[in-house]
Amino acid sequence: GENVEQHPSTLSVQEGDSAVIKCTYSDSASNYFPWYKQELGKGPQLIIDIRSNVGEKKDQRIAVTLNKTAKHFSLHITETQPEDSAVYFCAAKLYSGYSTLTFGKGTMLLVSP
Amino acid sequence: ETGVTQTPRHLVMGMTNKKSLKCEQHLGHNAMYWYKQSAKKPLELMFVYSLEERVENNSVPSRFSPECPNSSHLFLHLHTLQPEDSALYLCASSQDVGANYGYTFGSGTRLTVV
Repeated sequence: GENVEQHPSTLSVQEGDSAVIKCTYSDSASNYFPWYKQELGKGPQLIIDIRSNVGEKKDQRIAVTLNKTAKHFSLHITETQPEDSAVYFCAAKLYSGYSTLTFGKGTMLLVSP
Repeated sequence: ETGVTQTPRHLVMGMTNKKSLKCEQHLGHNAMYWYKQSAKKPLELMFVYSLEERVENNSVPSRFSPECPNSSHLFLHLHTLQPEDSALYLCASSQDVGANYGYTFGSGTRLTVV
């Protein structure tokens, strides 16, 4: 089955800096890659996703890049703010009649004012 | 609110108790999921339902019993749990199991087994 590795497990940045979280996946047939943000006391919320037919997607201060050859994808957050502090999860999924998301272990992002 | 509502938010139960977790979605989704989230572990998929039919059971102990009476409601019945079952239990839904769309999660039930 699919295996998703996520790094780093913890990331501390100063407000205004950029943050990058990286994930690798094992199954070359995976073609859907969402990112989730989980704030304290809440469930994970989808913040951005990318499909394998594109290499980059951007939404305001967040962007995701995908390298299918290397089987890795990354989340980029620019101009970080304290409210970006949360745990971020990457995931990968096959496009098939039946498959489910495989999640990474998560990255705790701490943005200091 | 995300559109997926879980109750209760917190639950403390003894090892001999029987309790149930409830999940409700009115997003028109056809697939619903139960996940277990423990500290320093990846999200663990427990059960998957598609159109009220269970399609996956990831070797979950029988002390956890899911029920999906209709496409909007999902339950997780708990009995004779162990302290290591203490965790955050998350419900999620998606348009379909096979389609490439994100899952919508509820806020979870924080379960403590004493």
